[in-house]
Amino acid sequence: GEDVEQSLFLSVREGDSSVINCTYTDSSSTYLYWYKQEPGAGLQLLTYIFSNMDMKQDQRLTVLLNKKDKHLSLRIADTQTGDSAIYFCAVNTGFQKLVFGTGTRLLVSP
Amino acid sequence: EAGVTQFPSHSVIEKGQTVTLRCDPISGHDNLYWYRRVMGKEIKFLLHFVKESKQDESGMPNNRFLAERTGGTYSTLKVQPAELEDSGVYFCASSQDPGPLHNEQFFGPGTRLTVL
Repeated sequence: GEDVEQSLFLSVREGDSSVINCTYTDSSSTYLYWYKQEPGAGLQLLTYIFSNMDMKQDQRLTVLLNKKDKHLSLRIADTQTGDSAIYFCAVNTGFQKLVFGTGTRLLVSP
Repeated sequence: EAGVTQFPSHSVIEKGQTVTLRCDPISGHDNLYWYRRVMGKEIKFLLHFVKESKQDESGMPNNRFLAERTGGTYSTLKVQPAELEDSGVYFCASSQDPGPLHNEQFFGPGTRLTVL
């Protein structure tokens, strides 16, 4: 089955850019998602990208998709302390269920 | 509009006891999903309802887990008897669009289950 991998932890300073990486195994993945989880809250959909795209930009967020390498990244420009959270990569292979990575805990220090 | 709600937010039980988790999806959403995150690991799919029918229960770990969605509205997930490895955060999600591709799922805050 599908396997999604992420690094567990990333620490940056306020104002820097953050890049969170994700790799997946199933080349038939159609939609790829980034979710954010703040403490005590549910998962919030940040952005998604369709597999026929290689980049999507939405304000401070940039998603890059390299289908050949099965690599997805989320770049957050001008990272703020409010961006501190766990970020989950998830893929949809067309069977409704989402397959998630382990989540990357982003810590932003002032 | 209210989001997905889950009850309780936390539950601490002893091994061998029974626990029932509840999820109320967004009104009008036919699709309801249960996921689980065991400490520090990935979020794993448990099952998917379309209205009151189980569409996919391939992620249910064993027969100690029973999910229901009577009437196609709220859902319950019962664990009986609970084991230590059942500890984790149980997320519920709902979606409106039954299409197979882009399927925005809206998640609840989760129920943190601790089995001692």
